[in-house]
Amino acid sequence: LAKTTQPISMDSYEGQEVNITCSHNNIATNDYITWYQQFPSQGPRFIIQGYKTKVTNEVASLFIPADRKSSTLSLPRVSLSDTAVYYCLVGGPNTGNQFYFGTGTSLTVIP
Amino acid sequence: SAVISQKPSRDICQRGTSLTIQCQVDSQVTMMFWYRQQPGQSLTLIATANQGSEATYESGFVIDKFPISRPNLTFSTLTVSNMSPEDSSIYLCSARGTAYGYTFGSGTRLTVV
Repeated sequence: LAKTTQPISMDSYEGQEVNITCSHNNIATNDYITWYQQFPSQGPRFIIQGYKTKVTNEVASLFIPADRKSSTLSLPRVSLSDTAVYYCLVGGPNTGNQFYFGTGTSLTVIP
Repeated sequence: SAVISQKPSRDICQRGTSLTIQCQVDSQVTMMFWYRQQPGQSLTLIATANQGSEATYESGFVIDKFPISRPNLTFSTLTVSNMSPEDSSIYLCSARGTAYGYTFGSGTRLTVV
């Protein structure tokens, strides 16, 4: 099982770009990298997913280097409402499609 | 992507009793998953529920304590049996949405007294 390592917490001021890096040294060939956001008292919400290089959607970008042993979630111009826990997960057919959550990164956006 | 309705949203139960949590998905999904989340902690996978077969449990979780049903491709239940205060937690179900992204229910906050 690919294990992920993320910083436990991060602080950022409003309007700044936030980059959260996740290490997954044992990622398998068929594994995808997926990031989730969780607010208190809610279930995790899908943010973005990628396999390699760069993926961008309306809320975030995901950067994955060629060796895929890490990935970086980039949140542009964060606001107070982005305060949440962010989880990096790896998984795919080789893990039976189960996702195992790591510790996550608690992001606090400061006014 | 799939939308999951989970209920109850919260409950307070007496020790020794059982609670069944229900998850309804708005589309057919092959695999559903049940997680537990202690306050302030990450999610721990309890089991994987496939329609038509017995659930597969992770280490530390057993069927007698957490029986799961998966009668069709849109529905699953998790029962927390013979509850003790240590079972107080948030329980979440999940199903595969698009590609490898998964959708989660809003969770059931269980307090055992």
